[in-house]
Amino acid sequence: GIQVEQSPPDLILQEGANSTLRCNFSDSVNNLQWFHQNPWGQLINLFYIPSGTKQNGRLSATTVATERYSLLYISSSQTTDSGVYFCAVTSNYQLIWGAGTKLIIKP
Amino acid sequence: DGGITQSPKYLFRKEGQNVTLSCEQNLNHDAMYWYRQDPGQGLRLIYYSQIVNDFQKGDIAEGYSVSREKKESFPLTVTSAQKNPTAFYLCASSTGTGVSYEQYFGPGTRLTVT
Repeated sequence: GIQVEQSPPDLILQEGANSTLRCNFSDSVNNLQWFHQNPWGQLINLFYIPSGTKQNGRLSATTVATERYSLLYISSSQTTDSGVYFCAVTSNYQLIWGAGTKLIIKP
Repeated sequence: DGGITQSPKYLFRKEGQNVTLSCEQNLNHDAMYWYRQDPGQGLRLIYYSQIVNDFQKGDIAEGYSVSREKKESFPLTVTSAQKNPTAFYLCASSTGTGVSYEQYFGPGTRLTVT
């Protein structure tokens, strides 16, 4: 089945820094989602991005489906950005999840 | 306003007891899902349902059961057969049942079995 790999597994940054999170997948996919899981466990949809580039405030994402990767950019990080960022791709009506990138933003 | 609700937020049970977790959505979504998350791990699919009165096993269905009698509701029962039931349980729903859809999640239920 499809494998989803995220990197880096952990990232510690100072407030105000920029970061890039990567998601690689092993086969062609029909969609890709990025989620942020906050410290209370709530999963928040960030982007639904099977291809192309999208932006939402300080966050943006790019998926290059032909090369099987997606990038999530966070600019001017804030402490509220801390948490775990997951990417997930669709295969056979199921979401296949990466292991996540744990992001800690220090004040 | 629309969304997915899960109750309760925290649940404590003694070993050997069955327990049912509630999931309700008012988004008019056809498909619903149950996931399990263990500390420091990603999500694993327990069961999913693409339509009322129909559901399929996910990757870790053993020890769990579900029903889908109404479009809005997809309760999950954690049975005494589940060997390690303590975990964070997340319910989700999606706009469609095709291959291109977006899933939305409820706030989760933390189950502790002692």
